[in-house]
Amino acid sequence: ETGVTQSPTHLIKTRGQQVTLRCSSQSGHNTVSWYQQALGQGPQFIFQYYREEENGRGNFPPRFSGLQFPNYSSELNVNALELDDSALYLCASGLAGGNEQFFGPGTRLTVL
Amino acid sequence: KQEVTQIPAALSVPEGENLVLNCSFTDSAIYNLQWFRQDPGKGLTSLLLIQSSQREQTSGRLNASLDKSSGRSTLYIAASQPGDSATYLCAGAGNMLTFGGGTRLMVKP
Repeated sequence: ETGVTQSPTHLIKTRGQQVTLRCSSQSGHNTVSWYQQALGQGPQFIFQYYREEENGRGNFPPRFSGLQFPNYSSELNVNALELDDSALYLCASGLAGGNEQFFGPGTRLTVL
Repeated sequence: KQEVTQIPAALSVPEGENLVLNCSFTDSAIYNLQWFRQDPGKGLTSLLLIQSSQREQTSGRLNASLDKSSGRSTLYIAASQPGDSATYLCAGAGNMLTFGGGTRLMVKP
């Protein structure tokens, strides 16, 4: 059974650029969620996708957007990058209904 | 809005001690409570999931309890080892996970 994978591992962008982060869910899971973790803080919920539709969103602006594909892989897109977007971005997959969530290793994004 | 708090924020103990990490949440209408471990710069490893109908879960030297009426969960680590050094996060699960700020644990040899 393959766990949750994310790519790339690290990424450096400049302010104003756009970035796409990718996630492959664990086999058999039907939800994928994205979280932002600033240094020294707990992860913050960005949004969740279920059946290729957004199924809940945290307090993040519209420039954070996502996609879920039929194979349950997912993308997180961030437009007009700001310095405060520098963080570890975590993807989690699970089964709908508030069940156990499994996390990938994360993508470290640095915005200069 | 669910808020989750973890106390203490940091903890340093000698090897072999039994220890308790605390987690409190404001909304008792959570589905589940999940505990994670995070090593520096890494992703989250799920340790224990306590479903809303349960009061505790055990895995090896770890035991987690859940008291929804008081809005509290505890993670008990028995006979701590240096390899247990990490940040421990609790999260209340509704449609999404709401995390506390974590407890940074250091176990000294």
